[in-house]
Amino acid sequence: SAVISQKPSRDICQRGTSLTIQCQVDSQVTMMFWYRQQPGQSLTLIATANQGSEATYESGFVIDKFPISRPNLTFSTLTVSNMSPEDSSIYLCSARDPVGDTEAFFGQGTRLTVV
Amino acid sequence: LAKTTQPISMDSYEGQEVNITCSHNNIATNDYITWYQQFPSQGPRFIIQGYKTKVTNEVASLFIPADRKSSTLSLPRVSLSDTAVYYCLVGLYSSASKIIFGSGTRLSIRP
Repeated sequence: SAVISQKPSRDICQRGTSLTIQCQVDSQVTMMFWYRQQPGQSLTLIATANQGSEATYESGFVIDKFPISRPNLTFSTLTVSNMSPEDSSIYLCSARDPVGDTEAFFGQGTRLTVV
Repeated sequence: LAKTTQPISMDSYEGQEVNITCSHNNIATNDYITWYQQFPSQGPRFIIQGYKTKVTNEVASLFIPADRKSSTLSLPRVSLSDTAVYYCLVGLYSSASKIIFGSGTRLSIRP
């Protein structure tokens, strides 16, 4: 299994600013993902964070707005750029274990409020 | 990725068995069925996964009929702590596959 730590757990930010969310996994993992979850809604996949290359974004999400880094097999960051109140949401990091199990593990999430 | 359909919400009482059914008519031959549980203010947590027939673990059972076009998550003797959102996912077994979440079933357990 993998334990995922996200920082910060929550933040309140001014519109027009950017926030970088960090995701640390306690073991090396092949795949890391970033999701967004609006209150009372399901999770929406933002992108797959690829180690050593550019992230793969889902429809509706672009690199300029959500730049992602993945410098190694245990760490990734998601930046929410030029924030607006519509970006207020919970952002979750996820990872899949490369050996044996195929279940995905999730961080506790980062609750972002943009004012 | 196969589309899934599950009830938006369900209510039950402590000590009851709860069955949540998920429809996935377009499931592909190589697809597995996986269920996740999400408590408020937490990330989703894996519950159970299966390909066909029945799978049981310490948390739940998963029943999959021969045609695999649906599946049923069974929670025995639920407690208040089982109140959560339950997601049915269908996709490849490979760890290289991304996971797409459907709408989920919001399960509320009452005393």
